[in-house]
Amino acid sequence: KQEVTQIPAALSVPEGENLVLNCSFTDSAIYNLQWFRQDPGKGLTSLLLIQSSQREQTSGRLNASLDKSSGRSTLYIAASQPGDSATYLCAVRPSWYSGGGADGLTFGKGTHLIIQP
Amino acid sequence: EPEVTQTPSHQVTQMGQEVILRCVPISNHLYFYWYRQILGQKVEFLVSFYNNEISEKSEIFDDQFSVERPDGSNFTLKIRSTKLEDSAMYFCASGGTEVAEAFFGQGTRLTVV
Repeated sequence: KQEVTQIPAALSVPEGENLVLNCSFTDSAIYNLQWFRQDPGKGLTSLLLIQSSQREQTSGRLNASLDKSSGRSTLYIAASQPGDSATYLCAVRPSWYSGGGADGLTFGKGTHLIIQP
Repeated sequence: EPEVTQTPSHQVTQMGQEVILRCVPISNHLYFYWYRQILGQKVEFLVSFYNNEISEKSEIFDDQFSVERPDGSNFTLKIRSTKLEDSAMYFCASGGTEVAEAFFGQGTRLTVV
């Protein structure tokens, strides 16, 4: 059974710092990996999607990498801002996904990030 | 920008009552999902729905749960007889392509009293 772990569980840093959030998964047979942002009491906003054949994806100040063989992904946030404060979730889709939409995502518990002004 | 819409945002119900949570997925998407998040815990997969039938369901999705796409736009989750432990945030998601990116709604907070 796939297990997704995110480290650290919480992180508080001053504004302007670059930071790295870590995600590991036990079964390397994944179709893709998705990073989300969740604000308190709110829904999940998709940040980045990495297919299993890709090594990284970038969007603005965010960069996500994937090392499928070792079961790890990192989310790099450059020049952090107070508006980046949120919980960041990592989720994986199993490799036997056939394009038929059948397969659910397995989530980590998230990293709660606070950026101090 | 297209988005997944869920109603209501918050629902309080008495134990044993039936509830229906509603979702309007992104219009050209074909795959629909329900997830839940109990306070302080992980987001958990409940069920996926494609081509008017359930594709996959987790062990959480027992006989008390059902899903329906009653028309071309809505997707619903019904809980027949709610229990205290059903209290959670319920998220609807949809996806449209082989890229398989999931887009989530803002959630319905269900409180069973």
